[in-house]
Amino acid sequence: DAGVTQSPTHLIKTRGQQVTLRCSPKSGHDTVSWYQQALGQGPQFIFQYYEEEERQRGNFPDRFSGHQFPNYSSELNVNALLLGDSALYLCASSLAPGQANSGANVLTFGAGSRLTVL
Amino acid sequence: SQQGEEDPQALSIQEGENATMNCSYKTSINNLQWYRQNSGRGLVHLILIRSNEREKHSGRLRVTLDTSKKSSSLLITASRAADTASYFCATTNNTNAGKSTFGDGTTLTVKP
Repeated sequence: DAGVTQSPTHLIKTRGQQVTLRCSPKSGHDTVSWYQQALGQGPQFIFQYYEEEERQRGNFPDRFSGHQFPNYSSELNVNALLLGDSALYLCASSLAPGQANSGANVLTFGAGSRLTVL
Repeated sequence: SQQGEEDPQALSIQEGENATMNCSYKTSINNLQWYRQNSGRGLVHLILIRSNEREKHSGRLRVTLDTSKKSSSLLITASRAADTASYFCATTNNTNAGKSTFGDGTTLTVKP
């Protein structure tokens, strides 16, 4: 049973460029959340997608956008990259919010995509 | 700002000793979870405790929750070198169901 897969694992960009990160959720999960983790800090919530719509959003600028496809996979796009966007970007999948059991709150994480902005 | 704050930031112990990490949070919660992260990789879910529960066990892990103090603790008994990792607490609440808010973690080093 495949877990969450993310690509690419590492990438280097320069300021002003754009980046797209990809995520395939765990089999049976239909909700995808994206987190940004700076070095030495905890993951910060970017947004969550369910039924191909953005359901919740954290405190991130509009340069951060996303998409969810019918097969539940997701992309994170970041435009006009800044040096401060350098971080580990984590994708996590889960069951849909509001499910009867507590599984909706249990996140399965991918290994992350490490973005370096020069 | 982060909802959860772990304490201590770093902890170093010898193999076989117990490790205790604490988490404090600010708002009411539905549940609290603990995750583990090895060296900048993805996080792994360890245990979930609901707001109406006070204690939960899973193998060598024991989690307590005190909603009156808005705090939780994670105890790892008989630690092993393989337990070396960062540990994070995460909370969810009614307002943002499905969104988990993480603290900055405790880095645990278990010396063989």
